[in-house]
Amino acid sequence: DTGVSQDPRHKITKRGQNVTFRCDPISEHNRLYWYRQTLGQGPEFLTYFQNEAQLEKSRLLSDRFSAERPKGSFSTLEIQRTEQGDSAMYLCASSYIPGSEQFFGPGTRLTVL
Amino acid sequence: TQLLEQSPQFLSIQEGENLTVYCNSSSVFSSLQWYRQEPGEGPVLLVTVVTGGEVKKLKRLTFQFGDARKDSSLHITAAQPGDTGLYLCAGTNTGNQFYFGTGTSLTVIP
Repeated sequence: DTGVSQDPRHKITKRGQNVTFRCDPISEHNRLYWYRQTLGQGPEFLTYFQNEAQLEKSRLLSDRFSAERPKGSFSTLEIQRTEQGDSAMYLCASSYIPGSEQFFGPGTRLTVL
Repeated sequence: TQLLEQSPQFLSIQEGENLTVYCNSSSVFSSLQWYRQEPGEGPVLLVTVVTGGEVKKLKRLTFQFGDARKDSSLHITAAQPGDTGLYLCAGTNTGNQFYFGTGTSLTVIP
């Protein structure tokens, strides 16, 4: 296992378009987290899954954002009707048990023009 | 809103110097983690501290958790260019949601 992977690494889109990002966690990890990080700031929590169940969502996750983890393995994060304020790095992390070490992926950098 | 404030925000020092990064909050955390992030990559965990007053050492890095579990510090001795990166603290109470600090960008000049 080579760790957490994210695809794509970079995405440039026009305002109003929909985008979808994928995260493949470490295979035996039950927990999967999504974060958003803007330049010069630390990551901000968006949501997390325990297996396929989405257990918590941040207020940052507006109704334009939706995340899924249908089979408890990979996860997708979709942003509908993108806005320029959505431009950020979107990070995925996974862990084996709650509170244990989170392993982060390399992130998807989104630029909304 | 970032619950954890880090200082300084930026730090540029010469190779061989010592430095300390601070992570402060008005909230109590059950555990606190320190990460290092390089450009274009995700954060990588350095250490987890869970007990008030705890001190952990990782080679030239010394981490301390405050007695009240509201603050933490990271001290680097004899900094090297390879230490360059963004240092992040992150606290949690439930192990479910992690609150990251504002980050300290460190540059070590050879």
